[in-house]
Amino acid sequence: GNSVTQMEGPVTLSEEAFLTINCTYTATGYPSLFWYVQYPGEGLQLLLKATKADDKGSNKGFEATYRKETTSFHLEKGSVQVSDSAVYFCARSGGYQKVTFGTGTKLQVIP
Amino acid sequence: DGGITQSPKYLFRKEGQNVTLSCEQNLNHDAMYWYRQDPGQGLRLIYYSQIVNDFQKGDIAEGYSVSREKKESFPLTVTSAQKNPTAFYLCASNQRESTDTQYFGPGTRLTVL
Repeated sequence: GNSVTQMEGPVTLSEEAFLTINCTYTATGYPSLFWYVQYPGEGLQLLLKATKADDKGSNKGFEATYRKETTSFHLEKGSVQVSDSAVYFCARSGGYQKVTFGTGTKLQVIP
Repeated sequence: DGGITQSPKYLFRKEGQNVTLSCEQNLNHDAMYWYRQDPGQGLRLIYYSQIVNDFQKGDIAEGYSVSREKKESFPLTVTSAQKNPTAFYLCASNQRESTDTQYFGPGTRLTVL
């Protein structure tokens, strides 16, 4: 079946550090890929998405490129802020109208 | 403002009791979803519905029930048959396809005493 694997956290970074959160997905079909973010005590909200190979999604300084050859969709940001502290979920679309989520990666940014 | 509302934010129940979690959306979305979130396990799909009066079991439907009598509403009942119901429950909706962005409510934290 469909699956998404993302790096375990927590990830702790100093403010202005470079961020990478790895995500790989199973290669069945032609999925759309997503990154969602969850702030403490809240629901998830879309951070960015990509719908086909080589597409780059970007938002709020975050970027991720849909890499079909490596089945990856790694999340990057050049300079993190304290306000970026949250849990980040990678996800892929799939069959039967379902979306498969990764287990989430907690990011903590310290001043 | 369009969005998804869930109520209540916190819910406590005694063992052996059924409880219903509310989910309402005014985004005119066809599809609605219920997820359960446990620490370290990400989101697991309980039920989803693509159209009024129709719904499908997700990966962990046992001990739960839903209804979809109106497009705007998709309540989830946690029954006494659910062995470990304490969790954070998230409702979501999207236009229709799994390729569409999902919009999430703020969640309900259920604690069984």
